Amino acid sequence: RKEVEQDPGPFNVPEGATVAFNCTYSNSASQSFFWYRQDCRKEPKLLMSVYSSGNEDGRFTAQLNRASQYISLLIRDSKLSDSATYLCVVIISGNTPLVFGKGTRLSVIA
Amino acid sequence: NAGVMQNPRHLVRRRGQEARLRCSPMKGHSHVYWYRQLPEEGLKFMVYLQKENIIDESGMPKERFSAEFPKEGPSILRIQQVVRGDSAAYFCASSPPGWGEKLFFGSGTQLSVL
Repeated sequence: RKEVEQDPGPFNVPEGATVAFNCTYSNSASQSFFWYRQDCRKEPKLLMSVYSSGNEDGRFTAQLNRASQYISLLIRDSKLSDSATYLCVVIISGNTPLVFGKGTRLSVIA
Repeated sequence: NAGVMQNPRHLVRRRGQEARLRCSPMKGHSHVYWYRQLPEEGLKFMVYLQKENIIDESGMPKERFSAEFPKEGPSILRIQQVVRGDSAAYFCASSPPGWGEKLFFGSGTQLSVL
């Protein structure tokens, strides 16, 4: 089983739609979780951290479910500029590198 | 305040040649990470360095690949005798001291091996 798994997509949604991605991780001892965004093979950029209590940043909401070992990202009122690949990232322990999922591709269509 | 600087942006090599990829971390960051992204794949950790010290090289292929981060100058990822399978995007990231939960990535070097 891969350490971090994501549905590759693509998710094709119209502008204004709400879309959600899930990501599962295999190591129950994983400590920290993030969503990164990557545009067209450019560098990944941190979108948001994911906390046990869930967190929200504007149109973006991230949730963590430790019991089922998954994290989610919800995007409300999708914009064309949200089109990108969303990378799920996990840190297993404090002295291990960030582990990246392969990403979920989102296309927002006018 | 410049971000993480990588060069070259694109590098073309023939099989058997050497490739040298450079990375200068953000100002104030002393730790550098190298990741590789193969086509249609996720980013794979290669190596984590601080000045004059390799912290973790568990993701480095056993042969032909080496990395350094000297006291002065950029970090260098060196690939000897490149093969077609080395074609990928190589990203460098930096963080302040410590493993760094939030990495700042450079624009990457796209290596193409002919």
